[in-house]
Amino acid sequence: GQQLNQSPQSMFIQEGEDVSMNCTSSSIFNTWLWYKQDPGEGPVLLIALYKAGELTSNGRLTAQFGITRKDSFLNISASIPSDVGIYFCAGQSVYNQGGKLIFGQGTELSVKP
Amino acid sequence: DAGVTQSPTHLIKTRGQQVTLRCSPKSGHDTVSWYQQALGQGPQFIFQYYEEEERQRGNFPDRFSGHQFPNYSSELNVNALLLGDSALYLCATRTGRTDTQYFGPGTRLTVL
Repeated sequence: GQQLNQSPQSMFIQEGEDVSMNCTSSSIFNTWLWYKQDPGEGPVLLIALYKAGELTSNGRLTAQFGITRKDSFLNISASIPSDVGIYFCAGQSVYNQGGKLIFGQGTELSVKP
Repeated sequence: DAGVTQSPTHLIKTRGQQVTLRCSPKSGHDTVSWYQQALGQGPQFIFQYYEEEERQRGNFPDRFSGHQFPNYSSELNVNALLLGDSALYLCATRTGRTDTQYFGPGTRLTVL
């Protein structure tokens, strides 16, 4: 199925470091969503973005909707051990409003205390 | 405010059998989507239900079917199970006024 290009695939960092991950698409999106998923559980919504250029924060997390509408990034500042998990970007194409979400392959984050 | 709930949590079936998974939406949500997530992959869209009708479908065979009830809850049915159907099945719900989807905890299906 169609997927977004999410990078990096995995990150292994020290507690307290900042983290950055991004997603790109070949088509224009009108919605970008960032989720975190722990093993064996469903994705939990972190941040939702609806407008090109929009910058939104949720605690230590900050995400932006790219100006071209084809990309988004997520930053985590001052990482802590509970940030461990898999982060997914998901988008909705302008040609498919109200419909399916397209997901990236995920970024697996490991944090060393 | 109850979130999205799914049942059962885990399920083990054998090839050729049929399975039904259930989803209750978050309070106030009327649109239900189902996703399949294979190990190490992102979720893949199966289909979406709104007003008790299938509104959109992903690239899944007819063995995958669904239903939405008047109370907005939904079922996913898979017939003639294959080994490759083993996955985490996720339900996601939203209101008609937003694109933001909220996921349930999933049902882990293992086909032997």
